[in-house]
Amino acid sequence: SQTIHQWPATLVQPVGSPLSLECTVEGTSNPNLYWYRQAAGRGLQLLFYSVGIGQISSEVPQNLSASRPQDRQFILSSKKLLLSDSGFYLCAWKGRVTGELFFGEGSRLTVL
Amino acid sequence: AQSVAQPEDQVNVAEGNPLTVKCTYSVSGNPYLFWYVQYPNRGLQFLLKYITGDNLVKGSYGFEAEFNKSQTSFHLKKPSALVSDSALYFCAVSPDSSASKIIFGSGTRLSIRP
Repeated sequence: SQTIHQWPATLVQPVGSPLSLECTVEGTSNPNLYWYRQAAGRGLQLLFYSVGIGQISSEVPQNLSASRPQDRQFILSSKKLLLSDSGFYLCAWKGRVTGELFFGEGSRLTVL
Repeated sequence: AQSVAQPEDQVNVAEGNPLTVKCTYSVSGNPYLFWYVQYPNRGLQFLLKYITGDNLVKGSYGFEAEFNKSQTSFHLKKPSALVSDSALYFCAVSPDSSASKIIFGSGTRLSIRP
């Protein structure tokens, strides 16, 4: 069966520090991969998605970036965090046949 | 452009009563429609989806949803609410299974009182 892992689960970082959140998927190949951000426990904002290795689409211009170095690995990064980057970050994968998204357990980032 | 609307920020229901969480969508063609549930500090869990066929779709935890093409709606329902159903619910739409992007509604917080 397929599983998705996100880490770290919780992160507290100072303003201006770098960020790296990692997501890996097991049990499937060539998935679409997604990074969402959820602020204040409500709506989801799509940040990036990837349909293959090295292929990244950005939905929101900001100081975050994403990379997909391997088929089942998706990384969210920042060189310098802002206070507004605080939030709950969710990684997800989508099967190409079934169409629904499967989410990881999330990474809560607090920027101080 | 695709869009999903969840008109209610919060729905309050007494335990044992039926519940409905509303969702309307705007997308061309024959959309794929989804419902997800999120418990505090957790990722979203898939509840059910509509692709084609019977307009009443059954999903996890006793939930079901009714697809209404003329009203472009996909309301989530449950005949008898449980306190444990209290959570944040998201409706989502995709134009088809291969589409790269799935659009989510803003979420509805469901609160079930004992």
